[in-house]
Amino acid sequence: SQTIHQWPATLVQPVGSPLSLECTVEGTSNPNLYWYRQAAGRGLQLLFYSVGIGQISSEVPQNLSASRPQDRQFILSSKKLLLSDSGFYLCAWSSVDTQYFGPGTRLTVL
Amino acid sequence: GEDVEQSLFLSVREGDSSVINCTYTDSSSTYLYWYKQEPGAGLQLLTYIFSNMDMKQDQRLTVLLNKKDKHLSLRIADTQTGDSAIYFCAESPRGSSNTGKLIFGQGTTLQVKP
Repeated sequence: SQTIHQWPATLVQPVGSPLSLECTVEGTSNPNLYWYRQAAGRGLQLLFYSVGIGQISSEVPQNLSASRPQDRQFILSSKKLLLSDSGFYLCAWSSVDTQYFGPGTRLTVL
Repeated sequence: GEDVEQSLFLSVREGDSSVINCTYTDSSSTYLYWYKQEPGAGLQLLTYIFSNMDMKQDQRLTVLLNKKDKHLSLRIADTQTGDSAIYFCAESPRGSSNTGKLIFGQGTTLQVKP
């Protein structure tokens, strides 16, 4: 069966520090991968998606970037965090239409 | 444009039925989904319905789809306190078959009172 992992689970970072969040998927190959941000337990904002290794599409201009160095690995990064980057970051994968979500990373920028 | 709308809050008593409603705009959506998010957790796929179906039932969950009105509902029978969560409606819009992108509503917070 397929599983999706995210780490770390929680993170507290100072403004201006770098960020690296990791997402890995097991039990499937060539998945579509997604990064979402959820502010204050509300709606989901799609940040990036990837349909293959090295292929990244950005949905909104922002302080973040994404990379997919391996088929089942998706990384969300920032060189300098802003206060507004705080939120709950969710990774998801899909094979065709249905998306399956990871447990999320709670990021607090102070 | 593509949009999915949900009411933000619903409160019910334990044992009652809950009905969460959703409207969407893309009539060519292939699938429509319901996800559940418990506090501090990721989204869990509850159920989905193919666009050529009117109804789908899975234990306590019943999904109704009215394609004419572009209205989707999720009924939870015998609602329990463990059903308290945020429920997201989502559609797979036209042209998304290669990317798998979904359009999500803002989520409905279901509060179940004992």
